[in-house]
Amino acid sequence: GAVVSQHPSRVICKSGTSVKIECRSLDFQATTMFWYRQFPKQSLMLMATSNEGSKATYEQGVEKDKFLINHASLTLSTLTVTSAHPEDSSFYICSAPQAYFSQETQYFGPGTRLLVL
Amino acid sequence: GDSVTQMEGPVTLSEEAFLTINCTYTATGYPSLFWYVQYPGEGLQLLLKATKADDKGSNKGFEATYRKETTSFHLEKGSVQVSDSAVYFCALSKVGGGNKLTFGTGTQLKVEL
Repeated sequence: GAVVSQHPSRVICKSGTSVKIECRSLDFQATTMFWYRQFPKQSLMLMATSNEGSKATYEQGVEKDKFLINHASLTLSTLTVTSAHPEDSSFYICSAPQAYFSQETQYFGPGTRLLVL
Repeated sequence: GDSVTQMEGPVTLSEEAFLTINCTYTATGYPSLFWYVQYPGEGLQLLLKATKADDKGSNKGFEATYRKETTSFHLEKGSVQVSDSAVYFCALSKVGGGNKLTFGTGTQLKVEL
């Protein structure tokens, strides 16, 4: 199946710094990608929909200025956590849908674990 | 809003045991239902899905039937293997929902020899 990668897989940063996470679709193009956040023992929570060539669509309660999303090309979306704080520590996962003969399947990246000290 | 409830884990079974992981949902309209699996160190993978009531999704020996009357989509496998050890997520999406998925909390399955 299709492959989605994320980089980095793990990052530790100091409070107040910004962290960029990349999501790439390796063998298909994606005009839309999704960013999720997962807390321990909790659901994946959709944060935003990344749209190639236009602004991201954020879910209710997600701070746009805090979580900057840029969908620079048909294979790359980035999530930047600005001025990170310890409460931003979490597991961030992206996904990209691929359509094949009218059937659409979401392909997920392996996730990025962020720890803010 | 829409929600998915899964049984809490971890679930520990011996190899060849029967597996059931319960999943119920709350949603307006007629959602599609999914089971995703996440093996250690990997991304979520679609295991199976069902798009309408009474549909049965199946893959790799796993099955789940879309039960509208009980709003359930329980995952079953007749004989688990050690290689099935993973975290299993139940999820739903709705037509017109922009492919957004609503996930359950995930259930960790450990299969021992």
